[in-house]
Amino acid sequence: RKEVEQDPGPFNVPEGATVAFNCTYSNSASQSFFWYRQDCRKEPKLLMSVYSSGNEDGRFTAQLNRASQYISLLIRDSKLSDSATYLCVVNNNNAGKSTFGDGTTLTVKP
Amino acid sequence: DGGITQSPKYLFRKEGQNVTLSCEQNLNHDAMYWYRQDPGQGLRLIYYSQIVNDFQKGDIAEGYSVSREKKESFPLTVTSAQKNPTAFYLCASSSPDITNTEAFFGQGTRLTVV
Repeated sequence: RKEVEQDPGPFNVPEGATVAFNCTYSNSASQSFFWYRQDCRKEPKLLMSVYSSGNEDGRFTAQLNRASQYISLLIRDSKLSDSATYLCVVNNNNAGKSTFGDGTTLTVKP
Repeated sequence: DGGITQSPKYLFRKEGQNVTLSCEQNLNHDAMYWYRQDPGQGLRLIYYSQIVNDFQKGDIAEGYSVSREKKESFPLTVTSAQKNPTAFYLCASSSPDITNTEAFFGQGTRLTVV
């Protein structure tokens, strides 16, 4: 089993739709969690950190469920510009390692 | 400004040649990583290093080699043993021992075998 697994996708949604991605992690000792966005032919960049209490940034909401060992990213009112690949990253502080998910591709259509 | 730099951005290699991709960071990060990405695919881990003079194989290490002689530098050599090296290579660094500190990626090197 992979240390970090994401919804395989791809997700194709119309503009204005709400879409959610999940990312599960296997190591219960994981301590920090992030969502990244990768545009075509570019490097991934930080979208938002995921805090224990959940956090929101405009149309984006990130949540952490430690009991079930997953994080989620919710995008409301999707825009064409949201089309990208979204990767989750899980840090295991004790192991000194960041583990990256494979990514989930989102295409928002007019 | 702190950051992570990969060079070159584009690299062309003849079959049978070894090439080395550079990755340098001035973020004082302990951990560094090399990923390969093929068109339409996710990241695949080649090698990672958690500390100077130590590194571990990732999922697809065959045909690649690395070194970590300095904290700031983690070069990747694509050897002639790598049968299909054409891909987008990404280097990343992080300090996973510090809570809520994110990883940073370089801009990537696009390697093409000609």
